[in-house]
This record gives sequence, structure tokens and C-alpha cells, in this order.
Amino acid sequence: DQQVKQNSPSLSVQEGRISILNCDYTNSMFDYFLWYKKYPAEGPTFLISISSIKDKNEDGRFTVFLNKSAKHLSLHIVPSQPGDSAVYFCAASYMDSNYQLIWGAGTKLIIKP
Amino acid sequence: GAGVSQSPRYKVAKRGQDVALRCDPISGHVSLFWYQQALGQGPEFLTYFQNEAQLDKSGLPSDRFFAERPEGSVSTLKIQRTQQEDSAVYLCASSLGAGAGALGDYNEQFFGPGTRLTVL
Repeated sequence: DQQVKQNSPSLSVQEGRISILNCDYTNSMFDYFLWYKKYPAEGPTFLISISSIKDKNEDGRFTVFLNKSAKHLSLHIVPSQPGDSAVYFCAASYMDSNYQLIWGAGTKLIIKP
Repeated sequence: GAGVSQSPRYKVAKRGQDVALRCDPISGHVSLFWYQQALGQGPEFLTYFQNEAQLDKSGLPSDRFFAERPEGSVSTLKIQRTQQEDSAVYLCASSLGAGAGALGDYNEQFFGPGTRLTVL
């Protein structure tokens, strides 16, 4: 029973274009959502997060959108750069256990030059 | 070093063997987490420490798994009588606090590179 789903195992985007990574969740009790980025042979690194009281959070080239009614969030990267090629994980947590992250399976993003 | 370190980076064990995986968190970080990541999946929570206290071990898959952090810094994850299904990458993370920070912002978890365990 996957509570956080990333349905696209991989995504290929041209350099300079927008990359959109999607994530769906089933548990309406989740109140904090995060995106992590992972390069091969390294641990995940935190990228951006959003609280359930917001619908958008922006940090430079990265923007996360949250649609609570659809239980969907997305990460937009614009413009995409070659260094963005990595696996992106969506994760969620809830206040009762706000340290325990529930992760999606990840989406491998490939930026083509 | 400034980051979370884990050792060994790779471990091959024969089925039935005991293994011990080490995590050195960032100095001063109160919280420490262990995750298991199977191939093609996201990390799954195993256990959480606040200083030396193991506050949550609900994710440990069986009583063959044991974690400790006796002095509130270095942690060891021990797996007894390893099975093939234990093959995975074991990730350790640390953070200043846990969950929401004092201002309601998130206490970022910093991850180590992981230990890849292969059980033959």
C-alpha cells in the first residue's frame, strides 16, 4: 500500500526547457511534503519543501505546487540544466509523527543537451 | 568532515552471517534516522533516535534488526542471521531536531552515502 506515488520512473527533458515531476499521495493527514534529489552513489539531498497550508513554494529555479483536493504535488524546474540530471524523490510526513518521512519510488530525470 | 558518513560503503555477507553498519552523524545533530532502500524503491523508515534514546523502532522489519546509539552520536545498525531479502542500501540521516523546527520550519535530514548490503 503505497501512500506516496511517483508514477513516472523516468523523464527526459531538453536543456533549457521546463521539467515537471509529479507525485500523488493517498493519506489526507500528510501535512508536509518534500522533494529530495539523489545522484548515483550519494545519499539524497533536500531540495525544497511545502507545508499543507500553502499551495506554492518557490526557491530559485525550483517551484513546488500542492493541490490538496487532488492529493497531488509537482516540482517544476525551469530552466532545466545538465546538473539537474538525477533521481528525484517526493516524501511526506504528518504531525503525529513529524520525523518519519514516507517516500515515493523516485523519478529519474535526464536533461538532454 | 562536515557531512554524514557511513561505513562500510559496500558489504557482502553470506546468508546467516551477522553484519554491523556504522553511521557517523553531523556533529551536534540530535536526531538520527535509519532507512532501508530496496532497488528501484524509495527509502523506508527503520528507526529514529533522539540523542541516545531510540524513540521509534516501528520500521525495523524483524527482531533480527537492532540499532543503537549509546553515546548520542555514532550509531550502529546490526542485522543478525542475514537473509537475501535484507539486500538493500541502508541510509543514515541526521538532523538538528526532528520534524518541525522552533519556527515551524522543517528540520532538514542530511543523508549519508549509504551502505550497500548484498546477502548471497
